[in-house]
Parts: sequence; structure tokens; C-alpha cells
Amino acid sequence: DIVMTQSPDSLAVSLGERATINCKSSQSVLYSSNNKNYLTWYQQKPGQPPKLLFYWASTRESGVPDRFTGSGSGTDFTLTISSLQAEDVAVYYCQHYYDTPPTFGGGTKVEIK
Amino acid sequence: QVLLQESGPGLVKPSQTLSLSCSVSGGSISSGDYYWSWIRQPAGKGLEWIGRISTTGSTSYNPSLRSRVTISVDSSKNQFSLKLSSVTAADTAVYYCARGKEMSTILDCWGQGTLVTVSS
Repeated sequence: DIVMTQSPDSLAVSLGERATINCKSSQSVLYSSNNKNYLTWYQQKPGQPPKLLFYWASTRESGVPDRFTGSGSGTDFTLTISSLQAEDVAVYYCQHYYDTPPTFGGGTKVEIK
Repeated sequence: QVLLQESGPGLVKPSQTLSLSCSVSGGSISSGDYYWSWIRQPAGKGLEWIGRISTTGSTSYNPSLRSRVTISVDSSKNQFSLKLSSVTAADTAVYYCARGKEMSTILDCWGQGTLVTVSS
């Protein structure tokens, strides 16, 4: 299985400041035939299911605010929140879908400082 | 807008079979380029993909659970189902059903989840 490792486990950021979450895969999730990275990001708030934020590493899902950015390629990926809002408090997960089984990172908890 | 809703017993005895259904509303489970997945999340922990079924009925399972998992679809009821046999306390979790778009596990639509506890 591809192992997805997120860092940090948690971070506290002041309102309006930048939050950066990292995700590293144990092998490349870049499919050479189509040059696409098989990587998604989800946001999960307490008591709710995960919500899709990005797929193909950087394609923003409809309705996701543009303060969120997904980037990276190969084995190293980043989710950036450019200006943290109170409603962004959540746990964020990366997930690959390069092969079976798709696996998730352990999650990064984002809080307000 | 497609909505998914899990249903089934919240308590299952050890060694028995966990059975859940996911009802899909707002769209046909048979149309479109979608896969239909089950995912679980133990309390306070991360997410584990269990398996998925396509609109044609082809299945793919997590190798760690394959020997115990069956996912099926009932197009007439617009729902798909999960059976997990020989459960133990380690199978206690919130179980989610979700839709995967572009015939993948890009999970764009999730049910609210249902807690299943394995206990005697």
C-alpha cells in the first residue's frame, strides 16, 4: 500500500494568517501517461463527513473558496490556506487514488491561535 | 443535488456480520461515471477505504478486508450495500458511504455516516 504521511499533526494559526499542510506519499502518485497526480484533499469538521477540496492535486472542487490552494507533484504535496478564517477550523486529510487501495494521510488538525 | 444516507444496525455482536445500506437520492445510482465506496473511521482516528462498486457491478476491495467484505448494488432501490463478516471490536467505527467521480475514488459526495459498535 502507498503510505501517506502528513505534517504537522496539528497547527495553530492566527486569523488571517497562512496555514500550510504537507503530505508525502511513499511512492509517486504521478501517472506518467497523463501527467496527472492522483491526489485529493479533504476537510472534515467535527461531527461531519469529509468534504472534497481538491483532486488531481490542484483542481479545486466547485464551491471551495480560493483562499485554499493545492499544489505539488510526484510524492510531495501541499495544502495552503492563504488567510485562515474561523470556519476553516477542521482536520484536513490527503488521499491518493493512484492504485488500490486508496489510502489517507493521518490528518492535520488546524486550530485558531 | 445527490444525497447519500447510510442505514443499518448500530450494534453488532462479535463474530456476526455487519450489514449497512446506502440510499442514494437526487440521482440514479446507475447513471454517470461513478464508483460507490464505503469508508470507515474509528472514533478519533483516520479514514480507511473499505471498497467500491461500479455502476456495472464490478467491485474492488481493500486487501486488508477483502476476505470479509462484500459490496453489492440494487439499482431498483437506488442503493448499495456493505456486508462485513466475522466482526470484532476493531471494526467499531463510523461507516460512510460516498460517491467517487470520474470512475475513481475522488470522493465528492458523502453520507453523514453511521456509528456501528461491535460489542456483546
